[in-house]
Amino acid sequence: NAGVTQTPKFRILKIGQSMTLQCAQDMNHNYMYWYRQDPGMGLKLIYYSVGAGITDKGEVPNGYNVSRSTTEDFPLRLELAAPSQTSVYFCASSTRRGEKLFFGSGTQLSVL
Amino acid sequence: AQTVTQSQPEMSVQEAETVTLSCTYDTSESDYYLFWYKQPPSRQMILVIRQEAYKQQNATENRFSVNFQKAAKSFSLKISDSQLGDAAMYFCAYRSVEYGGSQGNLIFGKGTKLSVKP
Repeated sequence: NAGVTQTPKFRILKIGQSMTLQCAQDMNHNYMYWYRQDPGMGLKLIYYSVGAGITDKGEVPNGYNVSRSTTEDFPLRLELAAPSQTSVYFCASSTRRGEKLFFGSGTQLSVL
Repeated sequence: AQTVTQSQPEMSVQEAETVTLSCTYDTSESDYYLFWYKQPPSRQMILVIRQEAYKQQNATENRFSVNFQKAAKSFSLKISDSQLGDAAMYFCAYRSVEYGGSQGNLIFGKGTKLSVKP
């Protein structure tokens, strides 16, 4: 089983560029999440989804957008990248909300 | 709003020894869940242990156990017989039992970096 797969693993963006971070899970989980991890700051929830077609904002949603057209995929879109979005991004999924999250290996993003 | 505090940014332990990582939390809720997650150098986070607040008994998973003190709002993780593979960041997390709105999502502490000396 692949679990939660994130691509790319590393990316450098210029200020103002846009990109999509991909996330896919093969465990048929209804719940999916996007977190960002800043050094010394723990994980902050950006967006989450409780099923296909249903998404909601987390703690730090500004500057990001998500969609959930299928159970498997939950892409995160960054529009007009800013240096403040330099971070490590994690996608996760679970069968129950907030319970035993399975994480991807993260995307390290630098905005210069 | 609930908060989770890990007051030890870094800890170190000798291989085969025991180490305890601290976590405190603030909540007005009487029922909730607490978790410890491990993030090794590979970055992929893994659930270590889970505790339900209404259960008196402390959770254990092999060499990992917790000391849950509900009145003190304390949730420490004890790692026995430490191994080199235990070296990682450890995150404490809180989750409300409620599901409305933003509730039901995990709230993480800032983490404790554990080093294991051979």
